[in-house]
Amino acid sequence: DQQVKQNSPSLSVQEGRISILNCDYTNSMFDYFLWYKKYPAEGPTFLISISSIKDKNEDGRFTVFLNKSAKHLSLHIVPSQPGDSAVYFCAARGRGGSQGNLIFGKGTKLSVKP
Amino acid sequence: SQTIHQWPATLVQPVGSPLSLECTVEGTSNPNLYWYRQAAGRGLQLLFYSVGIGQISSEVPQNLSASRPQDRQFILSSKKLLLSDSGFYLCAWSSQGRSPLHFGNGTRLTVT
Repeated sequence: DQQVKQNSPSLSVQEGRISILNCDYTNSMFDYFLWYKKYPAEGPTFLISISSIKDKNEDGRFTVFLNKSAKHLSLHIVPSQPGDSAVYFCAARGRGGSQGNLIFGKGTKLSVKP
Repeated sequence: SQTIHQWPATLVQPVGSPLSLECTVEGTSNPNLYWYRQAAGRGLQLLFYSVGIGQISSEVPQNLSASRPQDRQFILSSKKLLLSDSGFYLCAWSSQGRSPLHFGNGTRLTVT
């Protein structure tokens, strides 16, 4: 049973436009959410996170939105650049328990076309 | 700054052979350490985590084991590899408390 779902395996966007990557979760105990970016043959790189006490967090071109009632979060990249082409993973963590037990989605492959 | 080293980058091993993957972290003390695996077409699955020397927690039953002989060293092992052990293995670290995980570049393991 997937607790973190990224229902779009791939997304293609034109350079300069907005990329919106979506993520849904099922566990209401999750209270910390992260996005990672991964290039082929490399480990994931941390991008941005959000705590459940917030509904928006922004860092440069990257903004994460959290809708707790819908158990949904999204990552917006504006403007998209060809170097943003990578696989993006959504991850979530609950209170207590193992400190680093991040639950990951399966990823969405973003292609930004020049 | 903190860095994480993981090796080898790729490995091809026959079924039944042993495995040892090593991970070291520099620039931090008493980190939490993790081993994740990404199987083909799947997300990242936590295999083991450690909050201190000699302290290992396993998240899933499997053919693998982990050890932490030093504060900043984490080792993933197997006595006899199975075909199903093939995958992309990632070591990660985090500071104590609620902080992001930082991953190494991974090891692509192919069991033949």
